[in-house]
Amino acid sequence: QVQLQESGPGLVKPSETLSLTCTVSGGSISSYYWSWIRQPPGKGLEWIGYIYYSGSTNYNPSLKSRVTISVDTSKNQVSLKLSSVTAADTAVYYCARDRGYYDSGTYYVGMDVWGQGTTVTVSS
Amino acid sequence: DTQMTQSPSSLSASVGDRVTITCRASQRISSYLNWYQQKPGKAPKLLIYAASNLQSGVPSRFSGSGSGTDFTLTISSLQPEDFATYYCQQSYSTPPTFGQGTELEIK
Repeated sequence: QVQLQESGPGLVKPSETLSLTCTVSGGSISSYYWSWIRQPPGKGLEWIGYIYYSGSTNYNPSLKSRVTISVDTSKNQVSLKLSSVTAADTAVYYCARDRGYYDSGTYYVGMDVWGQGTTVTVSS
Repeated sequence: DTQMTQSPSSLSASVGDRVTITCRASQRISSYLNWYQQKPGKAPKLLIYAASNLQSGVPSRFSGSGSGTDFTLTISSLQPEDFATYYCQQSYSTPPTFGQGTELEIK
């Protein structure tokens, strides 16, 4: 049973860099895409970006200038860095596995395994 | 970005009721639509992928339908554990985007 666990500082000062790690256990990080998603307090879900185990990435254009996602296959970890944070970046941050499914010959993707989430507050 | 709009935003229902939540995409997304359930303080859980396919382990009272721009999630007979917030999400284009959520409350 694959499990994901996010970790990192719960408090970050404005203008600094938020750094989080997602550790994958019970399975390999290989052959999957891994996404980061966030949820501000009382609000909906926002996709931040994903990384393939080989290292290729894709980011949300709204955050692209501030986001870096990296992978360490030797540690089975995916990391998120978000620079120049403001109060608007306060949220619960989740990592999730992107799984592919075939239906009638077409390939679809869903986020089938999620971490429990970690709360990050941006405040001085 | 593809905008996803859910209706209603909140819904009160009773155990045993049949409930339908709708999701509309701002452009055609074929069947690239997923549904998630989120309970307070918990991570979202994938219920339906590709508009109508039940994720493994999800009870059969959940079903999804639709294609193009209009989609529905139906719960055939509400159980106490189904009271939660439901999100649709399109995987047709980048960035993947979510609806604003539908909060399903006990009447």
